[in-house]
Amino acid sequence: AQSVTQPDARVTVSEGASLQLRCKYSYFGTPYLFWYVQYPRQGLQLLLKYYPGDPVVQGVNGFEAEFSKSNSSFHLRKASVHWSDWAVYFCAVSPWTNTGKLTFGDGTVLTVKP
Amino acid sequence: EAAVTQSPRNKVAVTGGKVTLSCNQTNNHNNMYWYRQDTGHGLRLIHYSYGAGSTEKGDIPDGYKASRPSQENFSLILELATPSQTSVYFCASGDGLGGQNTLYFGAGTRLSVL
Repeated sequence: AQSVTQPDARVTVSEGASLQLRCKYSYFGTPYLFWYVQYPRQGLQLLLKYYPGDPVVQGVNGFEAEFSKSNSSFHLRKASVHWSDWAVYFCAVSPWTNTGKLTFGDGTVLTVKP
Repeated sequence: EAAVTQSPRNKVAVTGGKVTLSCNQTNNHNNMYWYRQDTGHGLRLIHYSYGAGSTEKGDIPDGYKASRPSQENFSLILELATPSQTSVYFCASGDGLGGQNTLYFGAGTRLSVL
């Protein structure tokens, strides 16, 4: 069965600084990988998704992620964080044979300092 | 823009009572899902559906039933609610097949079982 580990429960960065949120997945085969964001009192929204192909994928609001099969990782990055990025970020994996049965990590809370 | 609406947004129930959480989507998506989110954890899949009349068990189905009477509506039913089912419940619809399925989430229902 697939699984996702987000090793950092909380990350704090200063506004304007760069950001990396880590994600490690476990899956035998070709995974589909996702990053979702959850703002306070809201549902999750898709940031970006990876399908087999270019390992670097671009998402909304300047986010990007890089897939590494050798490291079983799918880290999220942003060059310059804005205060509005303060949220919880979830990494998720889906096997291609299943219809949307995403397995989520526990999430990383991003705090942005002024 | 995808639209998934959940009702109620907040619910307080008594132990042993019956609870029904409702979800409506206007996206004409075939796939719908119920997840629960507990503090400090990611989302866990309870039930899902591939279309009207179908329901499938997810990863944690015990204590829950689901109903998909139409393309638009997907309900989660707690026949005998217990305090361990206190959580935030998210409904989602999905727009594709296999791993390319992007999920669109509702805003969530906060359930407290006393």
